[in-house]
Amino acid sequence: RKEVEQDPGPFNVPEGATVAFNCTYSNSASQSFFWYRQDCRKEPKLLMSVYSSGNEDGRFTAQLNRASQYISLLIRDSKLSDSATYLCVVNLDNTDKLIFGTGTRLQVFP
Amino acid sequence: DAGVIQSPRHEVTEMGQEVTLRCKPISGHDYLFWYRQTMMRGLELLIYFNNNVPIDDSGMPEDRFSAKMPNASFSTLKIQPSEPRDSAVYFCASSQRDGPQPIQETQYFGPGTRLLVL
Repeated sequence: RKEVEQDPGPFNVPEGATVAFNCTYSNSASQSFFWYRQDCRKEPKLLMSVYSSGNEDGRFTAQLNRASQYISLLIRDSKLSDSATYLCVVNLDNTDKLIFGTGTRLQVFP
Repeated sequence: DAGVIQSPRHEVTEMGQEVTLRCKPISGHDYLFWYRQTMMRGLELLIYFNNNVPIDDSGMPEDRFSAKMPNASFSTLKIQPSEPRDSAVYFCASSQRDGPQPIQETQYFGPGTRLLVL
């Protein structure tokens, strides 16, 4: 089983739609969780950290379910500029090592 | 700050040649990470350093790969000899630990080096 698993997509959604991505992780000792965004032929960049209580940043909401070991990202009112690959990231045990999922590709169309 | 700087941005070489990738982390960051990204395997951690000391190199694929960090502002990843299966994008990232636990530190990535081994 992969340490971090994501649906690769692509998710093709119209502008204004709400879209949700899920991610599962295998190591129950993981403490830190993130969503990174990667545009085509660019480097990954932090989108948001994921806190136990869930957190929101504008149109983006992240949730963590420790019991089921999954993380979600909800994007409301999708924009064309949201088109990218979204990487689910988990730290390994309680170390500085980050394990990246292979990413979920989102394409927002007009 | 200029962010993480990597060079070269693109490298095309022939099988058997030595390849050296370079990275300058963000000033003041005490962690440096080398990753490799391919379509098939995604983003894989190769090695990381803390205060210039290698902490975990378990991701280094084989002895052909080596990494050094002679000082806080420079690191190299070397492949010798290179093989076609080494073709990938190699990213360097840096971060700063603010406390005793790696709670929510952000890793900042460089633009990557696209390596093609023919």
